[in-house]
Amino acid sequence: SAVISQKPSRDICQRGTSLTIQCQVDSQVTMMFWYRQQPGQSLTLIATANQGSEATYESGFVIDKFPISRPNLTFSTLTVSNMSPEDSSIYLCSAETGTATEAFFGQGTRLTVV
Amino acid sequence: DAKTTQPPSMDCAEGRAANLPCNHSTISGNEYVYWYRQIHSQGPQYIIHGLKNNETNEMASLIITEDRKSSTLILPHATLRDTAVYYCIVRPSFAGGTSYGKLTFGQGTILTVHP
Repeated sequence: SAVISQKPSRDICQRGTSLTIQCQVDSQVTMMFWYRQQPGQSLTLIATANQGSEATYESGFVIDKFPISRPNLTFSTLTVSNMSPEDSSIYLCSAETGTATEAFFGQGTRLTVV
Repeated sequence: DAKTTQPPSMDCAEGRAANLPCNHSTISGNEYVYWYRQIHSQGPQYIIHGLKNNETNEMASLIITEDRKSSTLILPHATLRDTAVYYCIVRPSFAGGTSYGKLTFGQGTILTVHP
């Protein structure tokens, strides 16, 4: 199994600012993903973080709003840019190893934009 | 990816078996059935997965019908700590092209275990 740590666990931010969320895995993983969970809703995939190349975004999500980095096989960041109250959500990092068949999730970052 | 249908909520008495159904009538041959759960304020937790055979682990059992169009997750002795949202997800195998690795979450079933 893999243990995923996310920082920060929660934050309250002013509209128009940006927040970078960090995701650290305790072992090398082949795939990393970022999800958003809006209040009272299920999880929605934002993008797949690709090591050494640009992230692959899902429909409705763009790089300018959610830039993602993945410099190595254990770390990724998601930035929520130019935030508005509609960005208030829980953001979750997920990782999958090449030999396991299940994905592991971090505890999430609860973001409130005021 | 194939879609899944789950009841929005279920109740179960503590100590009894919880049987959570999932319909995935459009599942294709290379797609697995995965179950995750999300306890309040936590990230999703993997429970079990299967292709066509029934599976059992320390957390639960997964029963998949012969035509693979539906499945049931069984928590044999539910406890209060099993209260959570349970997600049934159909996902391509590792050879599944652009959908590789991605999990598409539906609304899930809110399971409430009561004393």
